[in-house]
Formats: sequence, C-alpha cells, structure tokens
Amino acid sequence: QKEVEQDPGPLSVPEGAIVSLNCTYSNSAFQYFMWYRQYSRKGPELLMYTYSSGNKEDGRFTAQVDKSSKYISLFIRDSQPSDSATYLCAMSDSGGSNYKLTFGKGTLLTVNP
Amino acid sequence: ETGVTQSPTHLIKTRGQQVTLRCSSQSGHNTVSWYQQALGQGPQFIFQYYREEENGRGNFPPRFSGLQFPNYSSELNVNALELDDSALYLCASSSGQGIGRGYTFGSGTRLTVV
Repeated sequence: QKEVEQDPGPLSVPEGAIVSLNCTYSNSAFQYFMWYRQYSRKGPELLMYTYSSGNKEDGRFTAQVDKSSKYISLFIRDSQPSDSATYLCAMSDSGGSNYKLTFGKGTLLTVNP
Repeated sequence: ETGVTQSPTHLIKTRGQQVTLRCSSQSGHNTVSWYQQALGQGPQFIFQYYREEENGRGNFPPRFSGLQFPNYSSELNVNALELDDSALYLCASSSGQGIGRGYTFGSGTRLTVV
C-alpha cells in the first residue's frame, strides 16, 4: 500500500462547478498537509497548507483534514478555466527546517469554459 | 525576487552515461531539495542539502549524489543511467524556517534516457 493515495482522474468539469479533490494516507505520523498546483511544463506551486485536523479557507479554495480517517480534501468553488492543472496532495511528519514531502500521484483537472 | 532556476530544461542521455543537473535557489533560501517526478506520478524525494551537507535522503541508490555550494546553488549527479531514470527532476528551495512557507520549485529538468 502506498503511503499516499490520490485518484489521478482525469476530472473534467464545467466552469463555475465546485470541485472536490481527495487523498488518503496510511502513515499516522503525518501532521502537515499541503496542496500543490502544477501547470503543464512547470514545477508545483503551494496552494494550501494545513497543520493537523481542521479546515482552512483561502478565497475560492478550502482544505480539510480528517486525521481520524486519514483523509484530506481540497474544494474549489466557482472553478475557472485557469484552474485547469494537476493538483498534488503532499504530507510531512516534520515541520522543521529539514522537512521532506510525500506526494500523491496528482489529479488532472480540466475546467471547461 | 528571483525564483528557482534549473538547467538544462531538457536533455537526452544514453543508458550507462552520467548526468549533472543544476539548480540556483531562490534568493534568501538556504535549503535545497531534489525530487524525481516520473510521468503520471507525484514527485519523490531524492535528498536535501542544508549548509552544503546532505540533510536527509529518500529511497534512491548511491548513484544519485549531490552537492550544495556556498551560494546555496546545488547539483544533482546521476551515474550509470538506467532507462527508469527518465523523469522530470525538480529542485525546490526553502528558507529553512519550517514547512509553513512551503517550497519554491523550479520548472524542472526533463531527462530522457535511451
């Protein structure tokens, strides 16, 4: 079993839809959870960061972490064509200076105008 | 503020050869991490450098090695290339102030081994 599982999609939605992206994980030591967005031919860029369980909102994006279920989600409201990208969940057991991230496979999202 | 710059952007090597990939970290960042991203996969941690020393390593064989220089730039060296080494190699720099600020990734070097 992989440490982090993420449905690779692809996921195609109409503009304005609410998008739900999810990851599950098996390592109970993970405490730090992130979502990265990766456009084609680019490196990943940090979207959301959450420590431990709970919700975090930033504009159209909401990240949720449920440590009891080992399940994290990213919701995108009012999705735009510019949101079309691969979304990667990432996790770490350490939040200090030498942290390393364990990534999911990524979900390819296309938002159609 | 400049971002993370990687060179070259693409290269093709033959199995058994050696390759060196280069990374200039973002201004003010003293920690560099390297990740391998195979096609259709998420990035996998190779190793991290802090103050010119290896500061953690993932599940990669010793033929993957690296360096960090006093200006915090870094190199990734891969010896005895195998076909499975074909991937996007990502360099990520960070400030060493903890996970909250995240990495700044470069756009990567696409390595093809034939």
